Amino acid sequence: DVKVTQSSRYLVKRTGEKVFLECVQDMDHENMFWYRQDPGLGLRLIYFSYDVKMKEKGDIPEGYSVSREKKERFSLILESASTNQTSMYLCASSSGTGGMNTEAFFGQGTRLTVV
Amino acid sequence: SQQGEEDPQALSIQEGENATMNCSYKTSINNLQWYRQNSGRGLVHLILIRSNEREKHSGRLRVTLDTSKKSSSLLITASRAADTASYFCAPKGFNKFYFGSGTKLNVKP
Repeated sequence: DVKVTQSSRYLVKRTGEKVFLECVQDMDHENMFWYRQDPGLGLRLIYFSYDVKMKEKGDIPEGYSVSREKKERFSLILESASTNQTSMYLCASSSGTGGMNTEAFFGQGTRLTVV
Repeated sequence: SQQGEEDPQALSIQEGENATMNCSYKTSINNLQWYRQNSGRGLVHLILIRSNEREKHSGRLRVTLDTSKKSSSLLITASRAADTASYFCAPKGFNKFYFGSGTKLNVKP
């Protein structure tokens, strides 16, 4: 079974702090994603990575950066946390070699509160 | 954006009834996928239907796809209290998955 593990289930940080959200997958997937989920807005794609050191902006990259130094790990960085970044963050991965008909596997989510 | 839009936003039914959720999208796709999310958790893949398929079944799930109308539906038959969750469609063009706001299904025992 594919496992996608996010480092924290709940996180509370102060405004202005630099925050790291870590995600690790164990199935050698090429593609990894970060989403945030807010009530009424659904899941919005923040960043996408299709290979080590490769990344693409999603729909809402402002205020975030990412790092993919190893294939299994994809980190989301909040450079200076703000209260409007309080949200549920979801990491996902998928195979890049199965063509288009591959599914996404999600982590359990990190609920981040910025105070 | 390739984001799917689910309808209705919320659905409440009795155990044993069928639940139907709809999805509309705007761009051409390679496939459309449905996912389920239990409260406060990550999403779990349910079923994938390819763009050249019209209907697909998996257990109590039945998915239809109409590419001419850019719409899909998910039917859960003989629903159970354990089906209570949010359901999302993901129309897929290339590598990325786009999700909407989902349909929140409540199945009352």
